[in-house]
Amino acid sequence: SAVISQKPSRDICQRGTSLTIQCQVDSQVTMMFWYRQQPGQSLTLIATANQGSEATYESGFVIDKFPISRPNLTFSTLTVSNMSPEDSSIYLCSVTPHDETQYFGPGTRLLVL
Amino acid sequence: AQTVTQSQPEMSVQEAETVTLSCTYDTSESDYYLFWYKQPPSRQMILVIRQEAYKQQNATENRFSVNFQKAAKSFSLKISDSQLGDAAMYFCAYRTASGGSNYKLTFGKGTLLTVNP
Repeated sequence: SAVISQKPSRDICQRGTSLTIQCQVDSQVTMMFWYRQQPGQSLTLIATANQGSEATYESGFVIDKFPISRPNLTFSTLTVSNMSPEDSSIYLCSVTPHDETQYFGPGTRLLVL
Repeated sequence: AQTVTQSQPEMSVQEAETVTLSCTYDTSESDYYLFWYKQPPSRQMILVIRQEAYKQQNATENRFSVNFQKAAKSFSLKISDSQLGDAAMYFCAYRTASGGSNYKLTFGKGTLLTVNP
């Protein structure tokens, strides 16, 4: 398995501002994933982040709105830019260490006013 | 594209009883992985059980077991001897085995399980 931490655990932000979420893993992993879970909904993949290459975004998500960094094999950040109330969600990072199973971080609960 | 369907938005069970959560999926692939995740009120996604499609034997983890019917594309979760701590949202998820950038999980909409004392 993997131990994953996220910062911040929650935040309340004003519309028009940006928030950067950090994800730290206790082991080196090739792929990291960022998901969004809107209130009362299931999880939707935002993008896949590989170290040393550009993130791959899913349909409906763009780099200008959700820029991602992946500076090394244990760390990634997701920025939610120019936020609106519709961005209020839980943002989760996940990794697949080696056994084909994805393990999730505790999530970042974001409220945009 | 693969889809995952959980037809039961909510289920309830008495403590110590058994409950089965349903999941069906649609895929044209022959090799893939299926998962059940649990999300308690803390919002932490916790892996409950996983099944490889090439394995005929149903996966089991203590009180949790699955009924994997590949031809029917069905993957139900059985929880035996239900405990209060089992109360959570349960998500069924699919992942291709073909690798590359397709390692993403496709989730169902979830089933909210309530355990009554």
